[in-house]
Parts: sequence; C-alpha cells; structure tokens
Amino acid sequence: DTAVSQTPKYLVTQMGNDKSIKCEQNLGHDTMYWYKQDSKKFLKIMFSYNNKELIINETVPNRFSPKSPDKAHLNLHINSLELGDSAVYFCASSQGVVGLYEQYFGPGTRLTVT
Amino acid sequence: TQLLEQSPQFLSIQEGENLTVYCNSSSVFSSLQWYRQEPGEGPVLLVTVVTGGEVKKLKRLTFQFGDARKDSSLHITAAQPGDTGLYLCAGAGAGGTSYGKLTFGQGTILTVHP
Repeated sequence: DTAVSQTPKYLVTQMGNDKSIKCEQNLGHDTMYWYKQDSKKFLKIMFSYNNKELIINETVPNRFSPKSPDKAHLNLHINSLELGDSAVYFCASSQGVVGLYEQYFGPGTRLTVT
Repeated sequence: TQLLEQSPQFLSIQEGENLTVYCNSSSVFSSLQWYRQEPGEGPVLLVTVVTGGEVKKLKRLTFQFGDARKDSSLHITAAQPGDTGLYLCAGAGAGGTSYGKLTFGQGTILTVHP
C-alpha cells in the first residue's frame, strides 16, 4: 500500500493553462505539505496544512492555491501556469511537528510548462 | 530566513572509499534530519538528530549534530554502489516563524563507482 500518493506523475502543459495535482495519504497523519524541487534539486516548502487548516504559507505566488477537503487529502491548483513553474512538486505528510516526526514524501509530480 | 549550506554539491568516488557531507548554518535548529532521494522518487528519511553533540550510526553511515545545533555531518565508511543517490539535510525551525518548517540544504549527489 502506498503511504503518500500523488497524481499525475507527469504533467506537461502550456503556459497560461490551469492544472491541479492531487495528493492522498493513508497514514492517518494530521499534517500535510507541498514542496517544490527545482532543477538543481533544491527542495523548498510551499504550504502546510494541519487538520484541513492552513498553517504555513511561504512566499508563493497566489496563482498557487492548496485545498484540503479532508485531512487525508491535499490538492494543489495552479492558475495561469508560467515557464518558471516547471519543477517537481512533492506532497508529504507527518504525524506531528516536522523535525520530531518523520515526514513521508510522495513520489512527486514532474510539471513541465512549455 | 534560515539557510542551510550543504557541501559538496557533487561527490564521485570509488567503491570502498570514505566520504563526508557537511551541512552548516548560522541558525539554530531544533533538530536535523538527513534524507536520501532516488531518481523519480521522493526523499526518504535516514535519521533525525535532536541533541547538540549527538552521534547516530546506521550501519556504515554516521550522523553528527553540532554542539550548538547549527551544523551536521554525514560520514559514509567504505562506500558501495548502492549508496549512490541524492542526500539532503534538513533543519527544523526552532521557533518563531520558522517553527514547523524544514529548511533543506542544496543536496549532495553521490556517485559510487564499482
């Protein structure tokens, strides 16, 4: 059973389009995250939700909007896609405060904007 | 903003050699985690160090947290081709606006040649 799953695995789209990435965890964790990994492999947090409530919102363009319908799901919607949005997006979850608890990452979604 | 400087960025060695990866910061972290990431997959937690001066061993891997909780190192003894991958250090914010966030280093791409 996959602990943290993301769909799709690959996403190729044109500039200006709107797209969504879905994430689900079956670990019963309360906290979920979205990270962006750039072409140099640098991983940076974007958002964090705890029990469907947004608790971390880094300096991310407001074209990115996370949505958590329940604590097992955290989706990422991106409006008006730009070339610079091309990256690998990772969803993750943890039982509690990050750093004390293990963070489980999904397999990533490689987004390519042309 | 907390920064974590990881070095070296690339490491190419022969099987059997030893190596050390460093992560340094001017910020204090509540804990420091090391992850390993395989191509096409999400990072997987290797270890969490919490106490200043703490040393943890995982088979041939030795992790150390600096006394001041600002730096950490990963030492691999007698590297094997199976150790090849991307290694990431991540510091957990100690408080304030950094609480609940992981700050990642730039990563070290390790290649071990047979």
